[in-house]
Amino acid sequence: AQSVSQHNHHVILSEAASLELGCNYSYGGTVNLFWYVQYPGQHLQLLLKYFSGDPLVKGIKGFEAEFIKSKFSFNLRKPSVQWSDTAEYFCAVSGSGAGSYQLTFGKGTKLSVIP
Amino acid sequence: SQTIHQWPATLVQPVGSPLSLECTVEGTSNPNLYWYRQAAGRGLQLLFYSVGIGQISSEVPQNLSASRPQDRQFILSSKKLLLSDSGFYLCAWSGMEGFDTQYFGPGTRLTVL
Repeated sequence: AQSVSQHNHHVILSEAASLELGCNYSYGGTVNLFWYVQYPGQHLQLLLKYFSGDPLVKGIKGFEAEFIKSKFSFNLRKPSVQWSDTAEYFCAVSGSGAGSYQLTFGKGTKLSVIP
Repeated sequence: SQTIHQWPATLVQPVGSPLSLECTVEGTSNPNLYWYRQAAGRGLQLLFYSVGIGQISSEVPQNLSASRPQDRQFILSSKKLLLSDSGFYLCAWSGMEGFDTQYFGPGTRLTVL
């Protein structure tokens, strides 16, 4: 069965600090990887995704993530966070084959950015 | 553009009462539809998905059920709610081409007392 582990439950940073949120997955096959973000009071929305190709993917609002196949990891990074990045971040994985409908989420990491 | 609606936004129900949550999608045809539950500290858990009208797959055995009476309508139901059914219920849609990105609705906060 597939699973996703997010290492940090709650991260607190000051503005302009660099961010890295860890995500490791377990899946016996080719994967699609996602980071979703939920800002306070808003919908869960897609931040970035990896399907194939360049393992370094860029998303909205200056976020990027790197897929390291050998480490089963898909860590999220941002060089300089802003107060508006305060949100909960979810890593998710699915199989990439036809019929791979299940998207498995990690438990989420709450990010608090202090002005 | 595509939009996804869920209602109600919040719901407080007594134990043993029935449940009906509705999700509709606009701006797309033949979407895959999904119901997730987000319990505190547990991430999102896929409950049901549907690849077409009347086609429902269940991922987790429980006292909930789902139905898809129309192409862009997905309903989550229960005949008798349990305390453990409390949580945040999210509907999502995706395209039909293999596995596609899932887009989420605003969710329904259900409290069972």
